[in-house]
Amino acid sequence: KAGVTQTPRYLIKTRGQQVTLSCSPISGHRSVSWYQQTPGQGLQFLFEYFSETQRNKGNFPGRFSGRQFSNSRSEMNVSTLELGDSALYLCASSIFQETQYFGPGTRLLVL
Amino acid sequence: EDKVVQSPLSLVVHEGDTVTLNCSYEVTNFRSLLWYKQEKKAPTFLFMLTSSGIEKKSGRLSSILDKKELFSILNITATQTGDSAVYLCAVLVIQGAQKLVFGQGTRLTINP
Repeated sequence: KAGVTQTPRYLIKTRGQQVTLSCSPISGHRSVSWYQQTPGQGLQFLFEYFSETQRNKGNFPGRFSGRQFSNSRSEMNVSTLELGDSALYLCASSIFQETQYFGPGTRLLVL
Repeated sequence: EDKVVQSPLSLVVHEGDTVTLNCSYEVTNFRSLLWYKQEKKAPTFLFMLTSSGIEKKSGRLSSILDKKELFSILNITATQTGDSAVYLCAVLVIQGAQKLVFGQGTRLTINP
């Protein structure tokens, strides 16, 4: 089975811009979760989608949003980028309540 | 607030040594505990532990969970330089939805 794929792998944006990241889960996995990883805060949960519905959201501002499509692919969007949004954004897919498998991540740099 | 704490945060050993990494947790709605290895990329899955006292093994790596004392250990025997990485402990929390709560990670360095 193909693993979790994320695009793009690297991204450079400037403050105030917005960005959209994409994640394709492992075939058959309907749950997609997003995490932000920074040196200072470690890995933090952003949100989880299941069957096109956001079921859970972490403690992040409303500038962070996402969606899931009928084929389980997911996108996350960050609007009005701030310097502190520079991070590795990881997507993980799973069968509900089972192991989450991570994609390669998108490294976002905000200048 | 759900919390996962790993120790030590950093560890440097010589090739061939045995290491033990620790993970303690305080969460509500515990489902399972997972260990991941992270090099300069995404975390790769090592183990998922759901039941107390049952050791999981994969080659030189093994792990066990104690749900009474709320901790887990990851053992690596006969370490190799390729074991150098950050080891992440995460607890899967289920309350309708699911999420992983991560510890800070243990940075393990194996010197030849």
